[in-house]
Amino acid sequence: GDSVTQMEGPVTLSEEAFLTINCTYTATGYPSLFWYVQYPGEGLQLLLKATKADDKGSNKGFEATYRKETTSFHLEKGSVQVSDSAVYFCALNTGNQFYFGTGTSLTVIP
Amino acid sequence: DAGITQSPRHKVTETGTPVTLRCHQTENHRYMYWYRQDPGHGLRLIHYSYGVKDTDKGEVSDGYSVSRSKTEDFLLTLESATSSQTSVYFCAIRRDRGNEQYFGPGTRLTVT
Repeated sequence: GDSVTQMEGPVTLSEEAFLTINCTYTATGYPSLFWYVQYPGEGLQLLLKATKADDKGSNKGFEATYRKETTSFHLEKGSVQVSDSAVYFCALNTGNQFYFGTGTSLTVIP
Repeated sequence: DAGITQSPRHKVTETGTPVTLRCHQTENHRYMYWYRQDPGHGLRLIHYSYGVKDTDKGEVSDGYSVSRSKTEDFLLTLESATSSQTSVYFCAIRRDRGNEQYFGPGTRLTVT
């Protein structure tokens, strides 16, 4: 069945460091791909999305490129801030359903 | 935030009692979803709805039922709560144009 695998956390980085969170997927057909962010005590917020191969989603300095050949959608940011500390979820949509990864916790220290 | 509210936000209940959680949206989206979030599992789909009175099961539907009698409300019922249903429950909508989901603030349920 369809599924998402993302890198285990937690991840701890110093402010201004480069961030990569890996995400790979398994899906039939042509899924849409998403990254969501969750701050403590809140629901998930859409961070970015891509709907077809080679699309790049971007928002707030975060980027991810839909790579069909490697079935990947890795999240990157060039310079993280303390305010980026949160849990990040990769997700895919096929048909009526959405499938989420287990989440990667990021802590950014000053 | 797509105008999604959940009630209650926190609830403690005893094993064996029925519990109903409510999700309310203000934008008349057709699709609504219930998930549970547990450490190490991410979000898992319980049930979803694709219109009034139209619902379908997700991967963890056992022990849960849903109802949608009007577009704006999607109810999740734990027929007889068990400790394994202690979790954080999130409701989501999917926009009718585009396919991204938007989430409510969550309900933290503790079954003692």
